Amino acid sequence: QKEVEQDPGPLSVPEGAIVSLNCTYSNSAFQYFMWYRQYSRKGPELLMYTYSSGNKEDGRFTAQVDKSSKYISLVIRDSQPSDSATYLCAMSGTSGAGSYQLTFGKGTKLSVIP
Amino acid sequence: KAGVTQTPRYLIKTRGQQVTLSCSPISGHRSVSWYQQTPGQGLQFLFEYFSETQRNKGNFPGRFSGRQFSNSRSEMNVSTLELGDSALYLCASSFDSGANVLTFGAGSRLTVL
Repeated sequence: QKEVEQDPGPLSVPEGAIVSLNCTYSNSAFQYFMWYRQYSRKGPELLMYTYSSGNKEDGRFTAQVDKSSKYISLVIRDSQPSDSATYLCAMSGTSGAGSYQLTFGKGTKLSVIP
Repeated sequence: KAGVTQTPRYLIKTRGQQVTLSCSPISGHRSVSWYQQTPGQGLQFLFEYFSETQRNKGNFPGRFSGRQFSNSRSEMNVSTLELGDSALYLCASSFDSGANVLTFGAGSRLTVL
């Protein structure tokens, strides 16, 4: 079993839809949870960053972490064609010098159809 | 402010050759991490350099190596290339070592024939 599982999709939704992307993990040491977005022929860029359990909202995006279930999600409301990209979840156990590297999910490819 | 710059963007090599990839981090960033991205395995951590010292290393064979210079620029080298080394190699920089917030470059796409 991989440390981080993420459904690769592809996921295709109409413009304006609510999209939920999720990851599950097995390492209970993970405390920092991130979502990166990667457009075609580009490197990943940080979208959301959360620590421990709870919700974090930023505009149309909400990141949710449920450590008891080892499950994280990213909800995109009113999805736009510009949201079409691959979404990667990432996790780590610590932060700062000497900490572990990020562990990424394989990514979910999302297409938002106008 | 310039982002993370990786060169070359695309390259084709044959089995047995070696390759060197270059990464210039964001000005002021002292940590450089390297990741390999493939469709089958996703992003996998290669190594991290901070102040010219390797701080962390992923589970890759010794054919994969790297270094960091005093200006924080970094290079990674893959020797005796194998077909399975075909991938997008991503460099990411951050101000401190072990940061979770990384700024990635666009990557170097390596094809091994």
